[in-house]
Amino acid sequence: KQEVTQIPAALSVPEGENLVLNCSFTDSAIYNLQWFRQDPGKGLTSLLLIQSSQREQTSGRLNASLDKSSGRSTLYIAASQPGDSATYLCAVIKRASGSRLTFGEGTQLTVNP
Amino acid sequence: GAVVSQHPSRVICKSGTSVKIECRSLDFQATTMFWYRQFPKQSLMLMATSNEGSKATYEQGVEKDKFLINHASLTLSTLTVTSAHPEDSSFYICSASFGRLYGYTFGSGTRLTVV
Repeated sequence: KQEVTQIPAALSVPEGENLVLNCSFTDSAIYNLQWFRQDPGKGLTSLLLIQSSQREQTSGRLNASLDKSSGRSTLYIAASQPGDSATYLCAVIKRASGSRLTFGEGTQLTVNP
Repeated sequence: GAVVSQHPSRVICKSGTSVKIECRSLDFQATTMFWYRQFPKQSLMLMATSNEGSKATYEQGVEKDKFLINHASLTLSTLTVTSAHPEDSSFYICSASFGRLYGYTFGSGTRLTVV
């Protein structure tokens, strides 16, 4: 069974700090890994998608890496801003599950002004 | 980019009534859509996989007669909560993709409150 774990569960940082969110998964046979952001009471916004053959993806201040062999992904946020405050979720699609996403429990990020 | 529209964003209904939630892929065709339920401060729980032109596949423990899913076209899937009870109150979110290698796009969610 695929399990996805996110550490830490919650993180509070001052504005301007660079930070790393961690995601680990038990089954390395995945199609891809996707990072999402969820604001309170809202749906999920896709941040970055990493295919299984890729090592990293970048979008603005965000950089996500993928190490399939060790079952790990990190989301790096540079120069954090209060507007980055949200819950960040990682999800994988494993080859054995067809098209289904398996989510981690999320990291709740608070960036203080 | 791919956009998924979900309506309504909020709905309040009386116990015993039925509520329909719509999920539309606006700029792509989605042969498969997914319905999730989210409890406060928890991650998403997959309820069912909606396949265009065929019956939905429900996850274990999800009552298919309670949560009716219809995927009548390549751009529309609906979730109907039948004979709603207060314990059905939750946040429901749909998602779609035009190919698993392209990732998933989520709707904005529906907050259902049953009184």
